[in-house]
Amino acid sequence: AQKVTQAQTEISVVEKEDVTLDCVYETRDTTYYLFWYKQPPSGELVFLIRRNSFDEQNEISGRYSWNFQKSTSSFNFTITASQVVDSAVYFCALPSEKLVFGKGTKLTVNP
Amino acid sequence: DTGVSQNPRHKITKRGQNVTFRCDPISEHNRLYWYRQTLGQGPEFLTYFQNEAQLEKSRLLSDRFSAERPKGSFSTLEIQRTEQGDSAMYLCASSRLAGSYNEQFFGPGTRLTVL
Repeated sequence: AQKVTQAQTEISVVEKEDVTLDCVYETRDTTYYLFWYKQPPSGELVFLIRRNSFDEQNEISGRYSWNFQKSTSSFNFTITASQVVDSAVYFCALPSEKLVFGKGTKLTVNP
Repeated sequence: DTGVSQNPRHKITKRGQNVTFRCDPISEHNRLYWYRQTLGQGPEFLTYFQNEAQLEKSRLLSDRFSAERPKGSFSTLEIQRTEQGDSAMYLCASSRLAGSYNEQFFGPGTRLTVL
């Protein structure tokens, strides 16, 4: 069965701090993808990134970076120099025909 | 793309009443998904359609729930004889193609409160 675990329920940081959100997944598939979504207070899920299991290179997009380690089944997300606008719930998801989501990590960035 | 739209955005109903939600996916998106999200949890899959065919239903979708996508465009989700446990955010998503690599675009959701 597919499973995603986000052990951090809530994280609170002060603006400009770096923060890492953890994601551990379980799948029997040999080829798979992983997604991260952001859900701001407005409620609408926003797609952030897709990675496939063949590509373990870290990816950087502005202040966001992702570390995918197949050996530990982890796909962690780091926000550098956090900003108040980063406050949201972040979900890691494992797609098959449907998305299997973790429970999410609520990030609060305080000014 | 105008995005996925859902109506109504909020629905308050009394226990035992029937409710119906509508989802309009992004045009030309063949796949349409319904998820349910309760407070503090991630979205949970309910069902999905490939065009007008309903291909999978979750065990979460009891007999009181029914979903349709009659012409392969918009979809409706009906809950009969609502219970307080049905209170949740109901999310709709669409994707252009099948395949796990395809991003699902989500609508703003319908928040249901059952009194």
